[in-house]
Amino acid sequence: EIALTQSPGTLSLSPGERATLSCRASQSVRNTYLAWYQQKPGQAPRLLIYGASSRATGISDRFSGSGSGTDFTLTISRLEPEDFAVYYCQQYGNSPWTFGQGTKVEIK
Amino acid sequence: EVQLVESGGGLVQPGGSLRLSCSASGFTFSDFAMYWVRQAPGKGLQCVSAISNNGISAYYVDSVKGRFTISRDNSKNTLYLQMSSLRPEDTAVYHCVRGAAAGYGSGSYGDYWGQGTLVTVSS
Repeated sequence: EIALTQSPGTLSLSPGERATLSCRASQSVRNTYLAWYQQKPGQAPRLLIYGASSRATGISDRFSGSGSGTDFTLTISRLEPEDFAVYYCQQYGNSPWTFGQGTKVEIK
Repeated sequence: EVQLVESGGGLVQPGGSLRLSCSASGFTFSDFAMYWVRQAPGKGLQCVSAISNNGISAYYVDSVKGRFTISRDNSKNTLYLQMSSLRPEDTAVYHCVRGAAAGYGSGSYGDYWGQGTLVTVSS
């Protein structure tokens, strides 16, 4: 089973700033099958990125993903108020799905 | 619009049983693998079970093998999770998730998620 470690645990930033979130895998993620989700309190996770860098339908171009092998990054170019949430990475190259523990992006 | 609506959660004593349901709409249900992903209070996400689009193949995480059974009725656009011998550590919100492909193996991520139903196992 592939373990995913996200860092930092919490990111304190102001609206308009750039957010950089990291996800490191315990072994190489096959075919860059890495996704990112956003979750707000009381809501279901929402798919942002799949295939490490492809934006899901309707996702703002402020969100971008990059990386390969074991190191992946989610970047939010300019934080909007609605972007403050918890973000999870997920690998789907090997069964079962595994998720990182999450990074909380909070208002500074 | 894709919609996934879970039901069936509640408070149950250790050793008890529950059946979760997920009603799907807005897409051809029989074309997609489906998943149950749970989230314990204040914790992260764990894939509990998955089923292929035709219901023939299924996956279970080790901690629920022999206790949980996933199934689907493609004629009713409904996914199920039968849970028995429940333990306090099964307490979580259970989300129904659509996979992006027919199978649940490599390459299928979760593109739509339901709001979830809360299962609380406690005496």
